[in-house]
Amino acid sequence: EADIYQTPRYLVIGTGKKITLECSQTMGHDKMYWYQQDPGMELHLIHYSYGVNSTEKGDLSSESTVSRIRTEHFPLTLESARPSHTSQYLCASSGTGETQYFGPGTRLLVL
Amino acid sequence: SQQGEEDPQALSIQEGENATMNCSYKTSINNLQWYRQNSGRGLVHLILIRSNEREKHSGRLRVTLDTSKKSSSLLITASRAADTASYFCATDAGGYSTLTFGKGTMLLVSP
Repeated sequence: EADIYQTPRYLVIGTGKKITLECSQTMGHDKMYWYQQDPGMELHLIHYSYGVNSTEKGDLSSESTVSRIRTEHFPLTLESARPSHTSQYLCASSGTGETQYFGPGTRLLVL
Repeated sequence: SQQGEEDPQALSIQEGENATMNCSYKTSINNLQWYRQNSGRGLVHLILIRSNEREKHSGRLRVTLDTSKKSSSLLITASRAADTASYFCATDAGGYSTLTFGKGTMLLVSP
């Protein structure tokens, strides 16, 4: 089991609210990633970071933003949640190798 | 896009049988990885095969890679009910590229 954590695990929230999904890892990995996954579907990369103060947008356009102020922490923020943001959000990290280690995910439901 | 495409989309077998899943991709890769996802959870890395390798084993898992056909297969021998999960292939083009995941194969192993 990898040392990567996500909170909350489940979140039900109303439209227009600001939310932050937390992701932290204790492995000292430089690279971190956020994926969005709808049920039964593939993962889509929405953000990634190769180190502190480095963030990039992924293949799937997203209204969310991320920050990387500390190596171990990579939070994702939605300024104004909408029903179209309902999905599962998976955080992952990788070190010097190519393998990615995933957190348990956050299931978001926007009403 | 070098997105992997798995087939079949779903596979249902009995315990003790072998399960084979296939993955095809579109462009050159540095390595190909297989991940497993239990329902509602994060992904777990299973095995990585590099572009200069043709076959790799890990316990009951056997992965093959045919770069001329841009395809890979994952064989799980003597399946168990606990193998029930979704299996994803992911391609890595190397360098500063990120992983691209396929749509996944849902495997159901019945006791």
